[in-house]
Amino acid sequence: DIKMTQSPSSLSASLGDRVTITCRTSHNISLRLNWYQQKPGKAPNLLIYAASTLQSEVPPRFSGSGSGPDFTLTISNLQPEDFATYYCQQSYSTPLTFGGGTKVEIK
Amino acid sequence: QVQLLESGPGLVRPSETLSLACTVSGGSITNNYYWGWIRQPPGKGPEWIGSISYSGATYRNLSLKSRVTMSIDTSKRQFYLKLSSVTAADAAVYYCARAPIRVAGDAFDSWGQGTVVTVSS
Repeated sequence: DIKMTQSPSSLSASLGDRVTITCRTSHNISLRLNWYQQKPGKAPNLLIYAASTLQSEVPPRFSGSGSGPDFTLTISNLQPEDFATYYCQQSYSTPLTFGGGTKVEIK
Repeated sequence: QVQLLESGPGLVRPSETLSLACTVSGGSITNNYYWGWIRQPPGKGPEWIGSISYSGATYRNLSLKSRVTMSIDTSKRQFYLKLSSVTAADAAVYYCARAPIRVAGDAFDSWGQGTVVTVSS
């Protein structure tokens, strides 16, 4: 199985900040990396697929970069609705696997 | 806009079989998509259980071994999950989700609201 390591596991940030979350995979997965946002009590919401492609209707302050094994999710100009937990997921091979999550909290 | 909705019992006894259905509305259930099941134990990250195509081709997380059975009924616009011999470790929120078939692999772009499954006698 491909292991997904996210860092940090949590962070505190202020409105308007630029936030960076990293995801490292145990194998080279090329660009097959997806990012989700999850709010409490809700299903995950796809933000980025194929490492850097913005999902429809996702604000452009979200961006993804990198290629296997190192990837980055960046949130520019952090907004109140961005406080949530973020997960990476690899779509290179089965079993599809998710990272442990990064919780973004208000400073 | 596609909507997915999970249904099934919220309480399952240990050693019994969990059965869930996912109803798809507002979009196609036929080609161009895989239909997946993902679960999330309390306070943990999501875990992929398996996916099924409209033709019934399945791929599963082998960590669940042979306990997982998936099926699809396109005429009813539903797909199904059965997980046998459940234990307390299977307690989680269970989601169904849709993944467009892409070269870059499965990214789940639409999800159900989730259904809480408790395992208890």
